[in-house]
Amino acid sequence: AQTVTQSQPEMSVQEAETVTLSCTYDTSESNYYLFWYKQPPSRQMILVIRQEAYKQQNATENRFSVNFQKAAKSFSLKISDSQLGDTAMYFCAFMRWSGNTPLVFGKGTRLSVIA
Amino acid sequence: SQTIHQWPATLVQPVGSPLSLECTVEGTSNPNLYWYRQAAGRGLQLLFYSVGIGQISSEVPQNLSASRPQDRQFILSSKKLLLSDSGFYLCARDGDSTTDTQYFGPGTRLTVL
Repeated sequence: AQTVTQSQPEMSVQEAETVTLSCTYDTSESNYYLFWYKQPPSRQMILVIRQEAYKQQNATENRFSVNFQKAAKSFSLKISDSQLGDTAMYFCAFMRWSGNTPLVFGKGTRLSVIA
Repeated sequence: SQTIHQWPATLVQPVGSPLSLECTVEGTSNPNLYWYRQAAGRGLQLLFYSVGIGQISSEVPQNLSASRPQDRQFILSSKKLLLSDSGFYLCARDGDSTTDTQYFGPGTRLTVL
């Protein structure tokens, strides 16, 4: 079974600064997908970024980027130029390569952006 | 479109009462649909998923059940609610052109008293 671990329950960052959220996972599969989702106070789950394990290039979406280390089974999220609207819970998630399968989530990291 | 509707948005129910939460989705036909629950201070736990009408897979044995009476409708039910059923319930679907990404609805906050 796959597991996802987020070791930082809470983090804070000053507005305009950069912050990195950690995520590690455990799987015996060689191909899979990894995700970061954001859950603001509204509790809507919003997809932030997605990475296919077979791709060596790290995914990037505007101010959000990942550092994917497959051998170490590490998948961290970097938020650059943090904004107040980035305040939210962030969840790391794993999906098997076959798709059509549920997501396995970490317990989340609560990020607070401070003005 | 990955638009997902959930009804109701919030619900307060007494212990022992029945439950029915509805999820409807827009977009391509025959999407894969999922019910997740988020307990206070915890991550998301998969409850049920469905790959088609009448096809339900259960991940966690409990007093909840799910049904898919129509292609784009997914219902979560209970005959008798427990206090432990309180939480935030999220419906999700995969993308219009891919099954390797999931999109979530706005959720239903359930409080059992």
